[in-house]
Amino acid sequence: ETGVTQSPTHLIKTRGQQVTLRCSSQSGHNTVSWYQQALGQGPQFIFQYYREEENGRGNFPPRFSGLQFPNYSSELNVNALELDDSALYLCASSLGGENTGELFFGEGSRLTVL
Amino acid sequence: AQSVTQLGSHVSVSEGALVLLRCNYSSSVPPYLFWYVQYPNQGLQLLLKYTSAATLVKGINGFEAEFKKSETSFHLTKPSAHMSDAAEYFCAVSNDYKLSFGAGTTVTVRA
Repeated sequence: ETGVTQSPTHLIKTRGQQVTLRCSSQSGHNTVSWYQQALGQGPQFIFQYYREEENGRGNFPPRFSGLQFPNYSSELNVNALELDDSALYLCASSLGGENTGELFFGEGSRLTVL
Repeated sequence: AQSVTQLGSHVSVSEGALVLLRCNYSSSVPPYLFWYVQYPNQGLQLLLKYTSAATLVKGINGFEAEFKKSETSFHLTKPSAHMSDAAEYFCAVSNDYKLSFGAGTTVTVRA
């Protein structure tokens, strides 16, 4: 069974640039959620994709966008990067469209915005 | 929306001592509650979850948590700390399609 994998693991960008983060869900999982974890804080929900459709969104601006592909892998795109976007971005996969069960997390992509 | 509050951002215990991490929830209906652990430079791993079955939930690595409706609490305990328990611990509550996490408690274990 393959776990959740994310890429890249680390990256550095400058303000105003755009970034794409990628996530492969665990085998058999059809739901992917993205979370932002700022330093010293708990993860904050960005959005969730279920069967290639956005299933819910947290309090993040539209410059945070995402995709889910037919194989259930996913991308997180952030445009017009700001310094406060520096964080660990976590992808989690699960079964179904509701979070009443367990989330399986990847190790994250650490983004630094200079 | 349901939320959780973790009391204490940092806990230091001696090896072999009791580990107690506190979490209180705000919910008008029975919630789904979770404890996750995050080791340095890693993602989150589920320790245990409460889904309205038994109030005492046993998890991995010797951890357990008790759901107390009267106190709106879901505290995490481990009778005897091990050096490998040093990590950050997050309490979380399910809100429809997402989890809402607490701010986390960092556990350090003294030899």
